[in-house]
This record gives sequence, C-alpha cells and structure tokens, in this order.
Amino acid sequence: ELKVEQNPLFLSMQEGKNYTIYCNYSTTSDRLYWYRQDPGKSLESLFVLLSNGAVKQEGRLMASLDTKARLSTLHITAAVHDLSATYFCAVDMDSNYQLIWGAGTKLIIKP
Amino acid sequence: ETGVTQSPTHLIKTRGQQVTLRCSSQSGHNTVSWYQQALGQGPQFIFQYYREEENGRGNFPPRFSGLQFPNYSSELNVNALELDDSALYLCASSIGTGNEKLFFGSGTQLSVL
Repeated sequence: ELKVEQNPLFLSMQEGKNYTIYCNYSTTSDRLYWYRQDPGKSLESLFVLLSNGAVKQEGRLMASLDTKARLSTLHITAAVHDLSATYFCAVDMDSNYQLIWGAGTKLIIKP
Repeated sequence: ETGVTQSPTHLIKTRGQQVTLRCSSQSGHNTVSWYQQALGQGPQFIFQYYREEENGRGNFPPRFSGLQFPNYSSELNVNALELDDSALYLCASSIGTGNEKLFFGSGTQLSVL
C-alpha cells in the first residue's frame, strides 16, 4: 500500500526566511504533484513533476522530485504572508487512476 | 475560477440517511474524480468516472456510488450515512483519465449527526 508522508505538518515562520517541506512516499512512482489549499477554498495545482530529477519553479516556490529516494521537496524562498496556506503533495498511482495524498503542511507566515 | 461547481456547499444529515452530491465539470472535460477530505487530512480517492463509466475506485464501500451523465456532470451518492462520513467532498474534472491537470471544485461540506 502506498503511503505518503509530509513533514512538517505545521510550520510557522517569519517573512523573509527560507524553508523546505518534505514529501516521502513508500513505493515506486515517477509522478508527483503539489497543491495549495486556502481555508474554505478549493485545491489549486502548483507543480506537476513527471520524472526523476524534475525541478519546477514559480515565484518564491520551487519543487523537485527524486524518484530513487522517493522524495519530493517544496522549497520556499524569502517567504511572504500571501504564501500562508496548506500545501499537499500527491503521488500518482497508475493502476487505478487515483492520487495518494499526504496529510498536508499548514504553513503560517508571520509579518 | 476553475469552472468546476459543486452543490450544495453545505449539508447536514442524520445517521442512516442517504445523500446526493452534485458536480458540474469544467467545459470540455470528460472525466470526474471524487475525493473525501476529512478534517486535517489529505483527500482520499473515492472513484473516477470517464465517459459515463466508473474507471477506477479507491477503498470505499459499495454504499458510495456515483453516476456521470452525458454532459459529463456527476453525482456522488452515499447510502446509510455513518458519522465518519462527515467530511469535505471534492470533485475534480479533467480531460482524459490522467491526473496531470485536475481542476477541483470548492467542495461540499457534509456533516452527519
């Protein structure tokens, strides 16, 4: 059974700081996605990582995928308050089209 | 705005009742996936419908069932509601069965008392 673990589950940080969220998964997959969810809102796709070594960047966020280590990271550079949200990683299970999701990392960025 | 709409936004039911949740997919999308998100958890895959057929199913009992209509909108039906069914139910639409471009609705918050 595929398990996806995110850490930390909660992160409070100051504006301007850098930090990394980790997503580990337990079985072979080369497709991983990052989503953002604001309170009471829908899930918003951030990054689609489709191969080993994939790196994607958008603004202050950068995501990478290491399929051999079964690890993805979401790096936040010089955090700003607007990035406060819950971030989820999700691993693609080709066998029945489902995504297996981590529990989410709630990120609070203080001014 | 994603274009995926779900109704109702909130719903309160009692244990043992039945509920129907609705999802209108984004224009041009022929696939709908349903997810259950318990408070403080990540979403869990319920099933996927592609061109009106169930195309994949997660670890949910048969009392969770669905339909997809010719216009690709979808329904999620849950029979014999249990307290643990209280959750946010999300639908996501896409073109084809891949997960690379999912567009999620805002969800239906179901409370079972």
